[in-house]
Amino acid sequence: GDSVTQMEGPVTLSEEAFLTINCTYTATGYPSLFWYVQYPGEGLQLLLKATKADDKGSNKGFEATYRKETTSFHLEKGSVQVSDSAVYFCALSDKDTGRRALTFGSGTRLQVQP
Amino acid sequence: DGGITQSPKYLFRKEGQNVTLSCEQNLNHDAMYWYRQDPGQGLRLIYYSQIVNDFQKGDIAEGYSVSREKKESFPLTVTSAQKNPTAFYLCASNDRGNQPQHFGDGTRLSIL
Repeated sequence: GDSVTQMEGPVTLSEEAFLTINCTYTATGYPSLFWYVQYPGEGLQLLLKATKADDKGSNKGFEATYRKETTSFHLEKGSVQVSDSAVYFCALSDKDTGRRALTFGSGTRLQVQP
Repeated sequence: DGGITQSPKYLFRKEGQNVTLSCEQNLNHDAMYWYRQDPGQGLRLIYYSQIVNDFQKGDIAEGYSVSREKKESFPLTVTSAQKNPTAFYLCASNDRGNQPQHFGDGTRLSIL
């Protein structure tokens, strides 16, 4: 079945450092890929998405490129802020299964120190 | 503002008791979903519904039940058969054939 693997956290960075959170996936079809962010005690918010190979999703300084050849969708940001501290989830939606629910990775906690 | 409202924010269950979590959306979305989140883990799918009066089991449906009598509402009942119900429950919705999903703010369920 479909699966998503994320790097384990927590990831602790100083403000203005470069961020990479790795995400790889396994899917039977050609999935859409997503990054969601969760702040403490809240639901998930969509951060960015990509629907086909070589697409780059971007939002609020975050970027991720859909790499079909390496089945990856790594999240990057050039300069993190304290306000970026949250849990980040990589997810996929496999249109070919018809289910349309999301398959999530286990999440990566990011802590940014001033 | 359009969105998804989950209530209550916190809920406590006694042994042998059924409890119902509410999820309401005013986004006019056809599809709705329930996920369970345990500490340090990703979200796991409990039930989903792609249209009114129809729903399907997800990956961890045992001990849960749902209904979809109205487009905007998708309540989840945690039954006494669910032996480990303590978790954070998230409801989501989207248009059929269109992503992404929009999420509510969640309900945290604990055992008394």
